[in-house]
Amino acid sequence: EDQVTQSPEALRLQEGESSSLNCSYTVSGLRGLFWYRQDPGKGPEFLFTLYSAGEEKEKERLKATLTKKESFLHITAPKPEDSATYLCAVQAQGNKLVFGAGTILRVKS
Amino acid sequence: GAGVSQSPSNKVTEKGKDVELRCDPISGHTALYWYRQRLGQGLEFLIYFQGNSAPDKSGLPSDRFSAERTGESVSTLTIQRTQQEDSAVYLCASSAGNVVGPQHFGDGTRLSIL
Repeated sequence: EDQVTQSPEALRLQEGESSSLNCSYTVSGLRGLFWYRQDPGKGPEFLFTLYSAGEEKEKERLKATLTKKESFLHITAPKPEDSATYLCAVQAQGNKLVFGAGTILRVKS
Repeated sequence: GAGVSQSPSNKVTEKGKDVELRCDPISGHTALYWYRQRLGQGLEFLIYFQGNSAPDKSGLPSDRFSAERTGESVSTLTIQRTQQEDSAVYLCASSAGNVVGPQHFGDGTRLSIL
């Protein structure tokens, strides 16, 4: 059974304090790994797709990386507006996404 | 608008009533998905439509849940004889088709069963 585990469950950072979020996965035949950001009361907002080990994607203060067993979302010099829940999902057989429970990030100024 | 649209945004109903939730996907997107998000949990897949193919219903939790889609447009998720455990946010997503690519989500319907 495909599984996604995200850690930590919650993370508090000071503004400017860089850190990483982890997404470990077990799937039979990874077709894609996705990162989303979700703000309270909103639907998930797409950030990145990674397709193969070694791939990296960047957007502003965020950088996503992928290995054969996990993905990291690196946040460099975060700002309060980066506060959100970050979701990781994998697409294996078929087209459905299997999601982790998310990491709640709070950045204090 | 250009995004996925869901209605209503909030629905409060009594246990045992039927509810219908609506989703308008992004124009041109052939694939449509429904997910459920319980408080503090990740998204659970419910059902997937792709063009005129038979839908993938493998995530529907019971026969009280059903969904329809008209062509490549609007979809309706129906929950019959609602139970308190059905309380959750129901999210709809669409994507460009049967390829590996991002799914784009609406803001969901928050369903509360009294």
